[in-house]
Amino acid sequence: DSGVTQTPKHLITATGQRVTLRCSPRSGDLSVYWYQQSLDQGLQFLIQYYNGEERAKGNILERFSAQQFPDLHSELNLSSLELGDSALYFCASSVGLTAYNEQFFGPGTRLTVL
Amino acid sequence: AQSVSQHNHHVILSEAASLELGCNYSYGGTVNLFWYVQYPGQHLQLLLKYFSGDPLVKGIKGFEAEFIKSKFSFNLRKPSVQWSDTAEYFCAVNAGPNAGNMLTFGGGTRLMVKP
Repeated sequence: DSGVTQTPKHLITATGQRVTLRCSPRSGDLSVYWYQQSLDQGLQFLIQYYNGEERAKGNILERFSAQQFPDLHSELNLSSLELGDSALYFCASSVGLTAYNEQFFGPGTRLTVL
Repeated sequence: AQSVSQHNHHVILSEAASLELGCNYSYGGTVNLFWYVQYPGQHLQLLLKYFSGDPLVKGIKGFEAEFIKSKFSFNLRKPSVQWSDTAEYFCAVNAGPNAGNMLTFGGGTRLMVKP
């Protein structure tokens, strides 16, 4: 157990819908990262938050957004869902911002869009 | 932008065989290098990391990796694999030390160890 929790574990929804994925970082970690793992794109960085502020953006679609709340949990919002959004979404957390801070990964949320 | 290539997508070995998984990255500056493992049904776990210093790094569970700067490579090795090493292995880089902490992953290598 990495100490990072993600809910729900599985999510099945239809095209055009909106879903919210939740992540609680390890106790004491201020930085949260979201990654998407799909068959065709592999494991890709989406976005990073540090202590409530967005710090880095990767290949995140405009239909996707995220935020980190004062209690440091984070939510990833996916809207106007398409079949291609079906993937495993991982959250990771680290103490700080730099590469010297190991990222600990959660178990992921498997999203299926029908 | 950095990129990572893992040339072996699937590897099948018998127990006690030696393992080497290739990883090459593309980036002109300083990089930090990582190997992560994902056991079936589990989260990604860090096996080992390289920031600087001795290019031969040792990680958990008997794994090691060698950073060869001239070849832009960071291959993962284990002298004798066990059935419990069956998992997917990911090489990752980030453009450290001041470029943030986002990881760029390779496509992964699925290792199956036959008992």
